Amino acid sequence: KQEVTQIPAALSVPEGENLVLNCSFTDSAIYNLQWFRQDPGKGLTSLLLIQSSQREQTSGRLNASLDKSSGRSTLYIAASQPGDSATYLCAVREPGSARQLTFGSGTQLTVLP
Amino acid sequence: NAGVTQTPKFQVLKTGQSMTLQCAQDMNHNSMYWYRQDPGMGLRLIYYSASEGTTDKGEVPNGYNVSRLNKREFSLRLESAAPSQTSVYFCASRSPAHTGELFFGEGSRLTVL
Repeated sequence: KQEVTQIPAALSVPEGENLVLNCSFTDSAIYNLQWFRQDPGKGLTSLLLIQSSQREQTSGRLNASLDKSSGRSTLYIAASQPGDSATYLCAVREPGSARQLTFGSGTQLTVLP
Repeated sequence: NAGVTQTPKFQVLKTGQSMTLQCAQDMNHNSMYWYRQDPGMGLRLIYYSASEGTTDKGEVPNGYNVSRLNKREFSLRLESAAPSQTSVYFCASRSPAHTGELFFGEGSRLTVL
């Protein structure tokens, strides 16, 4: 059974720092991996999706990488801002039918002004 | 763009009462999902529907029923609510494109007393 782990559970950094969030998964046979942002009391907003054949995806100050062989993905946030404060979740989708999407528990990020 | 719309946003029930959570998407997606999110446990799949007219159980289906009313709408019903069903419920739909990106509603916060 696929398991997705995100460490640390919480992270606090000063504004302007570059930071890395980690996501690890136990079964490397994935179809894709998706990073989400969740603000308090809100739904999940998709940030980046990496297909299994890709190594990285970029959107603005965000860069996500994928290393299937080691079961790891990282989300790099450049020049962090207080508005980046949120919980970041990763989810892996396995090949096959529609259901296989396994979520990590998330990393709660606080960027201090 | 409305995307995925859930109602109600908040609900308080007494043990044994029933209710239905409604979800609608306007993106013409085939696949729709219901998740629950609990502290420290991440998102867990309750039921999903790969296409209109089909539904399947997810990881935690006990105590719930679903109806895929048409391509747009996917409802979740609690027949006899229990305190263990206190949670935040999210509806999602998946793009049919090869990326299979997932889009979420803003959630329905349910408290069962």
